[in-house]
Amino acid sequence: AQSVAQPEDQVNVAEGNPLTVKCTYSVSGNPYLFWYVQYPNRGLQFLLKYITGDNLVKGSYGFEAEFNKSQTSFHLKKPSALVSDSALYFCAVRDRRDDKIIFGKGTRLHILP
Amino acid sequence: EAGVTQFPSHSVIEKGQTVTLRCDPISGHDNLYWYRRVMGKEIKFLLHFVKESKQDESGMPNNRFLAERTGGTYSTLKVQPAELEDSGVYFCASSNTGGGTEAFFGQGTRLTVV
Repeated sequence: AQSVAQPEDQVNVAEGNPLTVKCTYSVSGNPYLFWYVQYPNRGLQFLLKYITGDNLVKGSYGFEAEFNKSQTSFHLKKPSALVSDSALYFCAVRDRRDDKIIFGKGTRLHILP
Repeated sequence: EAGVTQFPSHSVIEKGQTVTLRCDPISGHDNLYWYRRVMGKEIKFLLHFVKESKQDESGMPNNRFLAERTGGTYSTLKVQPAELEDSGVYFCASSNTGGGTEAFFGQGTRLTVV
């Protein structure tokens, strides 16, 4: 069965420091991988995706993510965190065979000023 | 281009009542998804339409939930009768088919059953 794991409920990072939000997945074949962000009282916003090719993908707001096939991971990263990055982040996988999309439980990111 | 819209944004109903949530996807998107998030927990998959057909409804909790997508356009999710554990935020998303395109989400409907 497909599954997405985000092992950290919350990540705290000081402003200006690099951040990493972890995601691992279990799905048959080669999935598409996504990161979404949710700000308070808002819907989910797309951040970035991996389809194929270069393992490091860049997205909105300076975020990037690294696809690691051997570790089945797709960790979200940013070199220098901003207080405005504080939000809830969700990792998702999309099955290439049937377009089903499933999500992790989310990680709350706190950027400390 | 209009995004995914959901109605209502909030709903408070009593246990035993019926509620119908509506989702209007982005025009031309064949895929339509329903999800539910209970406070602090995962975004749980409910079901997936491709056009008007239910591709996967494995996440529907029980037969009190009924989703429809007549004509392959907007979708409704009806809960009848509602129970306390049905409370949560119900999200709808739509996407094009294949190619790794991302799904676009609505603002969600916050359902509170009292």
